[in-house]
Amino acid sequence: DTAVSQTPKYLVTQMGNDKSIKCEQNLGHDTMYWYKQDSKKFLKIMFSYNNKELIINETVPNRFSPKSPDKAHLNLHINSLELGDSAVYFCASSQVRTFTYNEQFFGPGTRLTVL
Amino acid sequence: GENVEQHPSTLSVQEGDSAVIKCTYSDSASNYFPWYKQELGKRPQLIIDIRSNVGEKKDQRIAVTLNKTAKHFSLHITETQPEDSAVYFCAASIWNGGATNKLIFGTGTLLAVQP
Repeated sequence: DTAVSQTPKYLVTQMGNDKSIKCEQNLGHDTMYWYKQDSKKFLKIMFSYNNKELIINETVPNRFSPKSPDKAHLNLHINSLELGDSAVYFCASSQVRTFTYNEQFFGPGTRLTVL
Repeated sequence: GENVEQHPSTLSVQEGDSAVIKCTYSDSASNYFPWYKQELGKRPQLIIDIRSNVGEKKDQRIAVTLNKTAKHFSLHITETQPEDSAVYFCAASIWNGGATNKLIFGTGTLLAVQP
């Protein structure tokens, strides 16, 4: 009954490889996000999708390409991995309940290590 | 763009004492301020949030205060317990009730509650 799930939990790969991270939410939310948390724990938004439409696209290298096949899924594909891509990637989802409530529910994270 | 500064970066308190974490934001249009708690190796989770039309909000041992003029907001935890030990993140956004909410996070505060 996990609300927001991500696979894989750990990903170790060589520089230059291409990899994907998958995210699924079963909360019925319309909006999903990708965040990057670096080694200093700094949490930064990368992308946001609402009903499969890209809404937020931060200054992220175009090696990163999100894809939302439906509103319950948001995947992240990374081409030509670099050492600096090593981080924990969190998926999140949210649904506006009231004008004062917009909690973002995070997935468990995917720890990516680029060697 | 929005910038959020958070202090202190680490905070150690004795069990039962109070803890205060402070944040400053740069964009005066920001109107939504959530606080997230991240335990070691876990996902961030919302603990409390406040909108700019409110100066203070409480939820049991946790309270948040907002000073719009000074662009400051703070998290107050009273009667701290060892299970309060975690990294706490403040965030700010300009949110007008839409489906997508772009959160800008502070740099985090590692709170250690000593038994």
